[in-house]
Amino acid sequence: DAGVTQSPTHLIKTRGQQVTLRCSPKSGHDTVSWYQQALGQGPQFIFQYYEEEERQRGNFPDRFSGHQFPNYSSELNVNALLLGDSALYLCASSCLAPRLPDYGYTFGSGTRLTVV
Amino acid sequence: AQTVTQSQPEMSVQEAETVTLSCTYDTSENNYYLFWYKQPPSRQMILVIRQEAYKQQNATENRFSVNFQKAAKSFSLKISDSQLGDTAMYFCAFMTVGAQKLVFGQGTRLTINP
Repeated sequence: DAGVTQSPTHLIKTRGQQVTLRCSPKSGHDTVSWYQQALGQGPQFIFQYYEEEERQRGNFPDRFSGHQFPNYSSELNVNALLLGDSALYLCASSCLAPRLPDYGYTFGSGTRLTVV
Repeated sequence: AQTVTQSQPEMSVQEAETVTLSCTYDTSENNYYLFWYKQPPSRQMILVIRQEAYKQQNATENRFSVNFQKAAKSFSLKISDSQLGDTAMYFCAFMTVGAQKLVFGQGTRLTINP
């Protein structure tokens, strides 16, 4: 049973460019959440997708956008990259419906984005 | 808004010792979950233990146990018989029931020395 898969593992981009990160959820999961983890910090919630729509969003600017596909996989897009966007981006999948007693997140290993 | 605070940026103990990591949180919610996650250098967040707020009994998972004090909004993690493989960043996290969104603390870097 495959867990959460994220690609690419590492990425270097230039300030002002755009980037797309990808996530395939764990089998049986229907919800994908994205987190940004700056170096030495705890992860911060970006947004969450369920049924191909953004279900909830954290305090991130509109430069951060996403998408969920019919197979539940998801993309995170960041436009007009800033140096401060350099971070580890974590994807987590879970099951929203039906709610199970143990619906805890399963995290991927993340994408390390460096903006230069 | 919920906040989670971990006041110990780094801790270091000898192998086989017992270590306790501290966490406090702030919320007006009554139904929530609390978690401890481990993040080794591989970067993947690994669930260590989970506590439902409505349960008075403290959760345990093998060598890992928690001390959940709901009134004090405190949620500490105790690791018994620590092992070299326990070396990692540890994050305390909060989730309102139904929210499916985790709020993390700043983390504690734990080093187990041989």
